[in-house]
Amino acid sequence: QKEVEQNSGPLSVPEGAIASLNCTYSDRGSQSFFWYRQYSGKSPELIMSIYSNGDKEDGRFTAQLNKASQYVSLLIRDSQPSDSATYLCAVTRDNNDMRFGAGTRLTVKP
Amino acid sequence: EAGVAQSPRYKIIEKRQSVAFWCNPISGHATLYWYQQILGQGPKLLIQFQNNGVVDDSQLPKDRFSAERLKGVDSTLKIQPAKLEDSAVYLCASSPPGDYEGYEQYFGPGTRLTVT
Repeated sequence: QKEVEQNSGPLSVPEGAIASLNCTYSDRGSQSFFWYRQYSGKSPELIMSIYSNGDKEDGRFTAQLNKASQYVSLLIRDSQPSDSATYLCAVTRDNNDMRFGAGTRLTVKP
Repeated sequence: EAGVAQSPRYKIIEKRQSVAFWCNPISGHATLYWYQQILGQGPKLLIQFQNNGVVDDSQLPKDRFSAERLKGVDSTLKIQPAKLEDSAVYLCASSPPGDYEGYEQYFGPGTRLTVT
């Protein structure tokens, strides 16, 4: 079992729709959770961080965390073609040893 | 605020040669990380520094990889000798001090290494 699992995609949504990206993790001691966006040929860019159960909203992005289910998700509302990228889920127990999933490739079609 | 700087951006070497990468973190960031990202995979942590000291190097192949962070600022990552499977993007990241904010990592542009 991989430590951080994501559907590889590609996930395709029409412009203006909600994109839903999911991630599960195996380490119950994980405390901090992150979503990074990575455009092709570029480095990862931090979008959201979440540390406690529930929802956290930032603009068009909402991160959801359920520690009991070991599940974290990212919702992108009003998806735009510029949101087309690979989205990486990352998990860390403390400040050490961040583990990344392989990423979900999102395509937003105009 | 300047971001994480890395050089070179691209490097092509033959197997068994050596190569070195340089990273300058964001000013004031005490923690520095080196990652290896193979095409189609997420980044894998190689080594983490807190100021001058190594916090975690459990996934660093120490028979061929080495890293140092002198004076708690710049860092270099070296591979000697390189193997074909070392072809990847090497990412440097840094994070600020403090709880929670200190867990958020900011990445440099990376160095794309091709070993032939």
